[in-house]
Amino acid sequence: DAMVIQNPRYQVTQFGKPVTLSCSQTLNHNVMYWYQQKSSQAPKLLFHYYDKDFNNEADTPDNFQSRRPNTSFCFLDIRSPGLGDAAMYLCATMGTGSSNEQFFGPGTRLTVL
Amino acid sequence: AQTVTQSQPEMSVQEAETVTLSCTYDTSESNYYLFWYKQPPSRQMILVIRQEAYKQQNATENRFSVNFQKAAKSFSLKISDSQLGDTAMYFCAFMMLNRDDKIIFGKGTRLHILP
Repeated sequence: DAMVIQNPRYQVTQFGKPVTLSCSQTLNHNVMYWYQQKSSQAPKLLFHYYDKDFNNEADTPDNFQSRRPNTSFCFLDIRSPGLGDAAMYLCATMGTGSSNEQFFGPGTRLTVL
Repeated sequence: AQTVTQSQPEMSVQEAETVTLSCTYDTSESNYYLFWYKQPPSRQMILVIRQEAYKQQNATENRFSVNFQKAAKSFSLKISDSQLGDTAMYFCAFMMLNRDDKIIFGKGTRLHILP
């Protein structure tokens, strides 16, 4: 009964080679988030969707883009990964009007060579 | 702007002991949620406990309880009868009610439960 699924769990890419990470959810939540988490640090919010409304954080680099084609799926595109983009990427969802709890996926660990 | 501060980067306690993790926050809002999230090594983040600011009663979930001091803007987590499975990174987090749907995380406390 997986609720927030992230694929792949591990992704290796080369410096400058575009990569896409995916997230899907079975919770029918209207809010979806992408976080970047580096070792032993708190998750850093990159952007989030409220339904189809996209909300970008002011300090999220232009190198990071996102798509949400429907309620269930959300993608994170890194156009030209740099070494500093190596991190764990977490997807989370939240259903508004409920408990305001965010449900996290297991994350995708990105390695940039 | 809201901030969340966890002053203990790392803690270790013996199994079965009680441990308290500290968290303070700063906000001018009166309606908000506070959370403690747990992130075990190589495993996903899960919610441990949640507190609505308008509730005076401290939240409890089995061995986990909070000490919510609204005036002092303090929100500590107490883990009773600690178990090896409690070893994890613990994040204190803040969310404004009915606003921008964003959680603000503290930097985390790494908790080690020793056998």
